[in-house]
Amino acid sequence: NAGVTQTPKFRVLKTGQSMTLLCAQDMNHEYMYWYRQDPGMGLRLIHYSVGEGTTAKGEVPDGYNVSRLKKQNFLLGLESAAPSQTSVYFCASKNGQGADTQYFGPGTRLTVL
Amino acid sequence: AQSVTQLDSQVPVFEEAPVELRCNYSSSVSVYLFWYVQYPNQGLQLLLKYLSGSTLVESINGFEAEFNKSQTSFHLRKPSVHISDTAEYFCAVTYSGAGSYQLTFGKGTKLSVIP
Repeated sequence: NAGVTQTPKFRVLKTGQSMTLLCAQDMNHEYMYWYRQDPGMGLRLIHYSVGEGTTAKGEVPDGYNVSRLKKQNFLLGLESAAPSQTSVYFCASKNGQGADTQYFGPGTRLTVL
Repeated sequence: AQSVTQLDSQVPVFEEAPVELRCNYSSSVSVYLFWYVQYPNQGLQLLLKYLSGSTLVESINGFEAEFNKSQTSFHLRKPSVHISDTAEYFCAVTYSGAGSYQLTFGKGTKLSVIP
């Protein structure tokens, strides 16, 4: 099993450009998450999904959109990138509610100039 | 809503010395507690978690954490650290009832093990 994979690993954008980050999991998990990690801020939840075709806002959703058309994939979109979105983005998935472990991808390092 | 406070942003410690990384949480309801570890340039991985029962939980690599309900704490300890323990450690909490989908993370503690 590959677990949780993220594409791409690195990306540099100019302000105003758009891009999509892809997260894929092969564990048949129901729940998927997108976080951003910034120095001294820990992980902050952007959006999450509790099943195929569902999405919900997390703590910092502004400037991002998501889609979960297939159970194994969770896409994070930036329609018009801003320097404030420079960050490391992590995807995670888990099987059930509450105590189930979240499994994380390796991250995508995004720089917006 | 839950919140997590990690009291130290950075902890330097000499190799083979003991270490404690502190975590306090705030919640009005029953919770599950987690410690995740992030090695350099990697994603997070679960270190250990407290669900119920014994208040002392252990990981396979020698870390342990103790749930203290009265002090709302879940401190992480290791009696003797190794260079390979250098990483960032995150405490996290989630509501233990139905409809619990999200983890709330602390801001992390960077553990640096000095040779």
